[in-house]
Amino acid sequence: NAGVMQNPRHLVRRRGQEARLRCSPMKGHSHVYWYRQLPEEGLKFMVYLQKENIIDESGMPKERFSAEFPKEGPSILRIQQVVRGDSAAYFCASSPPGQPTYEQYFGPGTRLTVT
Amino acid sequence: GDSVTQMEGPVTLSEEAFLTINCTYTATGYPSLFWYVQYPGEGLQLLLKATKADDKGSNKGFEATYRKETTSFHLEKGSVQVSDSAVYFCALIPGSGGYNKLIFGAGTRLAVHP
Repeated sequence: NAGVMQNPRHLVRRRGQEARLRCSPMKGHSHVYWYRQLPEEGLKFMVYLQKENIIDESGMPKERFSAEFPKEGPSILRIQQVVRGDSAAYFCASSPPGQPTYEQYFGPGTRLTVT
Repeated sequence: GDSVTQMEGPVTLSEEAFLTINCTYTATGYPSLFWYVQYPGEGLQLLLKATKADDKGSNKGFEATYRKETTSFHLEKGSVQVSDSAVYFCALIPGSGGYNKLIFGAGTRLAVHP
């Protein structure tokens, strides 16, 4: 059973460009979470999605960031007009359906560098 | 709001030394508590967990006990190995209305020398 897949693993963007980060959850998992890790810091929650629904986006910056988890295909975290401060590692996690679900399985992350 | 505080690193130990990484939390209700480990260049792996007071989580020689009276979840290992060198994160999921949102501490880097 494949784990959580993220791509690309490394992404370089110039200021003002768009970044698209993809996450494929583990098979059978319907909950997806995105976290951001700034250099030398812990992970910060960004958004929690189920298929076609955003459940909690309390950690998402109000502008330029959006996330989706369509009925088919991977979850996408989109950052428009990137700035240097967006440089970070972005991790996706997934968990199986049902409550409570205590365990989240993390992907290897996408390291975004904005030049 | 809910939060997690861990001891600052780096922690540097010799092989076979005893390890303690302190973790305390602030939360309403009854959170679930976790330790995650991150090896260089990789994502996080769940190391152990405890979902109610007095539970002890254990895995790969690591242990942590959920202490509600002291709001703590300290990580311990009796004899560390070089391969344990990594960053360790304490985390919680709030006990009510948290939608499984993990709240992490800042992480503690462990370096084990031969």
